[in-house]
Amino acid sequence: DTGVSQNPRHKITKRGQNVTFRCDPISEHNRLYWYRQTLGQGPEFLTYFQNEAQLEKSRLLSDRFSAERPKGSFSTLEIQRTEQGDSAMYLCASSSWLSKEETQYFGPGTRLLVL
Amino acid sequence: QKEVEQDPGPLSVPEGAIVSLNCTYSNSAFQYFMWYRQYSRKGPELLMYTYSSGNKEDGRFTAQVDKSSKYISLFIRDSQPSDSATYLCAMRFSGGYNKLIFGAGTRLAVHP
Repeated sequence: DTGVSQNPRHKITKRGQNVTFRCDPISEHNRLYWYRQTLGQGPEFLTYFQNEAQLEKSRLLSDRFSAERPKGSFSTLEIQRTEQGDSAMYLCASSSWLSKEETQYFGPGTRLLVL
Repeated sequence: QKEVEQDPGPLSVPEGAIVSLNCTYSNSAFQYFMWYRQYSRKGPELLMYTYSSGNKEDGRFTAQVDKSSKYISLFIRDSQPSDSATYLCAMRFSGGYNKLIFGAGTRLAVHP
């Protein structure tokens, strides 16, 4: 069990560019979450996958955001036409439905800066 | 009004002090309550997990949930400089998709 990993750890991009982040959950965790955290705030839920199915999306996830989890393993979060307001830490978490408490384990995050 | 309110601090205490961190919430349907610790530029790390009302103790940490008052607390005994971090309360409903609703986090500094 190596924990949740996220890549890249940091990303600087210019406004209008597209960016893609990757999350590798704990192996055998079938549930995967994306959150966004801005400075001085707690994480805010973006979207949730159970296996490969995307089951819930927040209003925060505008049309410029898309997430996938092919084959129910790793997940990607893509932001198209980035805006300065997209600058934030993007956190991925995973959990197992087999666990009674369904604890969510977080990765280290990808810090995005849009110039 | 946010669903979960948490004083952002910062809170500064001397080493060895007892620290009390709190959150209030508005939705009585929350059933699971958590405290996460987040060091600067790192992901949140789960500290305590409580179902419904009651107390839970783990080493120097005690979590309390009072559902009648919609109020949760985390106590840290014998605080250490290594406890300096942001503490996030989080909660979720029973069933559904288990998304967590977080407070804004309280920054804690424990000075030697």
